[in-house]
This record gives sequence, C-alpha cells and structure tokens, in this order.
Amino acid sequence: DAGVIQSPRHEVTEMGQEVTLRCKPISGHDYLFWYRQTMMRGLELLIYFNNNVPIDDSGMPEDRFSAKMPNASFSTLKIQPSEPRDSAVYFCASSLLGARTEAFFGQGTRLTVV
Amino acid sequence: AQTVTQSQPEMSVQEAETVTLSCTYDTSENNYYLFWYKQPPSRQMILVIRQEAYKQQNATENRFSVNFQKAAKSFSLKISDSQLGDTAMYFCAFIPFNTDKLIFGTGTRLQVFP
Repeated sequence: DAGVIQSPRHEVTEMGQEVTLRCKPISGHDYLFWYRQTMMRGLELLIYFNNNVPIDDSGMPEDRFSAKMPNASFSTLKIQPSEPRDSAVYFCASSLLGARTEAFFGQGTRLTVV
Repeated sequence: AQTVTQSQPEMSVQEAETVTLSCTYDTSENNYYLFWYKQPPSRQMILVIRQEAYKQQNATENRFSVNFQKAAKSFSLKISDSQLGDTAMYFCAFIPFNTDKLIFGTGTRLQVFP
C-alpha cells in the first residue's frame, strides 16, 4: 500500500478563497483523522471519522471548516472562506482500530493564506 | 483537563550515544495508552513506540525503549546507539482508553551529530 496520500503538498491561496484539502486513507482502515499543526498550538485533532461517519468534530475551529468522507477511500477538509490564521500544516491519518492503535499519517498539506 | 508536557524543546546527542527524552502527562484516568511519534524533516509522523498503561513492563522497539512510571505520570523515551536518521521532532502523546482523541505534547527537537 502507498500509505496515506494527501494532496496538494503545498497550497497558497488568498484570503477569502475556498480551500479544499484531500486525503486517501490506507485501504481497509476504518478510522480517519484530520489534524492541524501550528507553531503556536502544536498538533490538534480537528475531526475524525469511523466507517465514513463523523464521530467527533469538536476540534473544528469554526463554521468555516467542514469535512466530509463520502466513501471509505476519500475525505476532504474544506475551508471557506480562508483566513491568514488558517495557515498551518494539515495532516490526515488513518488507522485500523482507532487512535489507540498505530495511526499512519500522510505527509501533510502546508497551507499558506495570504 | 488532560495534558502532555515535554519540558525539553531541544536536545542534541552524538552519534552512537544514548539520549533520553522526557514526557509527563496529567490525567485522572486509570486506563490509557501512551505513544512516542517521530516527525523527521519530511514532515510525516511515524510511530516509534506504544505503551498500554495497564502493562507494567516497559515497551521496547529495537534501539528505542521507554521508562513508564505510572504513579509519577512519566513516560520517557530512551534512544540507544543514536543514528543520524534519528534527527527529528519527537512527540509524546496520550489517549484515554475509551476515546480516539490523541493528545500531543509540544515536541522535542532532537539533533544527532556525527
């Protein structure tokens, strides 16, 4: 398996634009997690899914953020409208039996909002 | 609130030497899991080692071992025979038994010198 695949690796966008980050989890993994990493706040869990169903979105900062998992092999994290403070590295991770077991991370998307 | 504290922002060690990274956590839970994740310059987070709180035996993975002190809520990582490829950010993480929400520490940047 190629591991967790995220796209794009880098994204630069202007304030107010819509941004969509994409993730393909490892095949067979039932859990998918979205994290955000910043210097100020470190690594934060935004939302996670189990069997394509959102379980906990309490980490989603605002209504501007939304995440979907239409099927077992694809998830998106959308920010609309984007703001400079959204600049961060966004990671997607998947695991077989939840975060209590090993989580496999993608290489992240570095988002810069100017 | 459950927190994870890594008090060493940066550490350095010479190749082939041993280094210990510190981690403490705060929780009222009795059952939980602890992890060390590594983030090399490539950005992708990789699991180093995992410990189940109900197991008294310290986990080991080749050159990596932990010193788990449950009463003291301490979970340090020892890297033996350090290699240049160990250069990375190391994150300690905690998860209660009945959730899938990983709580990360702020990380320790380890530099291995030749």
